[in-house]
Amino acid sequence: DADVTQTPRNRITKTGKRIMLECSQTKGHDRMYWYRQDPGLGLRLIYYSFDVKDINKGEISDGYSVSRQAQAKFSLSLESAIPNQTALYFCATSDLRTGNTGELFFGEGSRLTVL
Amino acid sequence: QKEVEQNSGPLSVPEGAIASLNCTYSDRVSQSFFWYRQYSGKSPELIMSIYSNGDKEDGRFTAQLNKASQYVSLLIRDSQPSDSATYLCAGGGSSASKIIFGSGTRLSIRP
Repeated sequence: DADVTQTPRNRITKTGKRIMLECSQTKGHDRMYWYRQDPGLGLRLIYYSFDVKDINKGEISDGYSVSRQAQAKFSLSLESAIPNQTALYFCATSDLRTGNTGELFFGEGSRLTVL
Repeated sequence: QKEVEQNSGPLSVPEGAIASLNCTYSDRVSQSFFWYRQYSGKSPELIMSIYSNGDKEDGRFTAQLNKASQYVSLLIRDSQPSDSATYLCAGGGSSASKIIFGSGTRLSIRP
């Protein structure tokens, strides 16, 4: 089983719908991240969280919200999806305790298509 | 200037040769640097990290950091077809709280 699990893996929805992407991890890491990947643009940071009470905006947070329900769970919501939010979304974790917070462990990705 | 910049490629290298991947970065990304490999349809995985000037070697991989020139590179010796992937350069700020990625360089190793 994957240490970082994302659901759903694929989703097609319509403009204006609310969508939630969920991420859970069994690695015991404190830090969790949401990135989106678009062709030619690499990975862009949407939100990141250091613990349940600490949530921070990344480069492209507009149109997105997050919830850190527990140390192991970090959800990304699109309140009203639009076509330019069509992308591959990755959840990632890192472990502050190792000091190497740049080592990110990624989930398998959630491909979202907004029609 | 983007915080982390890479040439998108594709970079085509013959099997057995040295593949050289390059990345430049801005002042906002200055403390720690990482190379991730991403196979098509898969998630990125960390292959190298480097924090200080100079070279760091791990098997066939060597990461090089030059903070004066704001330049970081990845060399892959004895390139294999299995090295064909997109390589993402990433950097962190003073607290490494945010890891910022470049757009990636697609590497193709031709037999």
